Amino acid sequence: GEDVEQSLFLSVREGDSSVINCTYTDSSSTYLYWYKQEPGAGLQLLTYIFSNMDMKQDQRLTVLLNKKDKHLSLRIADTQTGDSAIYFCADLRSSNTGKLIFGQGTTLQVKP
Amino acid sequence: GAVVSQHPSRVICKSGTSVKIECRSLDFQATTMFWYRQFPKKSLMLMATSNEGSKATYEQGVEKDKFLINHASLTLSTLTVTSAHPEDSSFYICSARDLSGSWSEQFFGPGTRLTVL
Repeated sequence: GEDVEQSLFLSVREGDSSVINCTYTDSSSTYLYWYKQEPGAGLQLLTYIFSNMDMKQDQRLTVLLNKKDKHLSLRIADTQTGDSAIYFCADLRSSNTGKLIFGQGTTLQVKP
Repeated sequence: GAVVSQHPSRVICKSGTSVKIECRSLDFQATTMFWYRQFPKKSLMLMATSNEGSKATYEQGVEKDKFLINHASLTLSTLTVTSAHPEDSSFYICSARDLSGSWSEQFFGPGTRLTVL
């Protein structure tokens, strides 16, 4: 199947860490991405991880990939109110076609 | 990162009219562009893959006669919603693929909000 699944909502307090989870089904995935969407806007690429990596850190963002369990997570350290948005994970099935399969999106609410 | 623009950002039209949405890659060449549709509080649904100089590839269930795609140059793809109806109201987002780097990345436009009355 082509499913990429995420939990729909996460609420955290400012300064805490946020962990957004994603599962996917296709073992042939090449790259996995995290995008951020603010209200009424397009998607902003936050980070990505190649399928043969376990972890990637980029400033406040840490991506963990468990390929055996087909589980991807995005950790945002020291979450700020400006991080409030919808976060999508996406699975690149083939670098030839460029086709991305998106999860449903996780709405992150950051409370002051 | 590279910039992708969409025009218009918002359009309201009457039922039965056609609407054209443009997607431009501003500082890179994109042999492939993608058109997505997003319903409120929902994920992005890929509608079609637009390849420069050839016919678009449509996803299953997407009517190619209703959603006409033209990719006439390496920086411009257009989506025309023909004979629009209220159920076509949605947020349409394009992305463009930049293959100049060592890996594949898609850059997304800001989206076009279509409302059909």
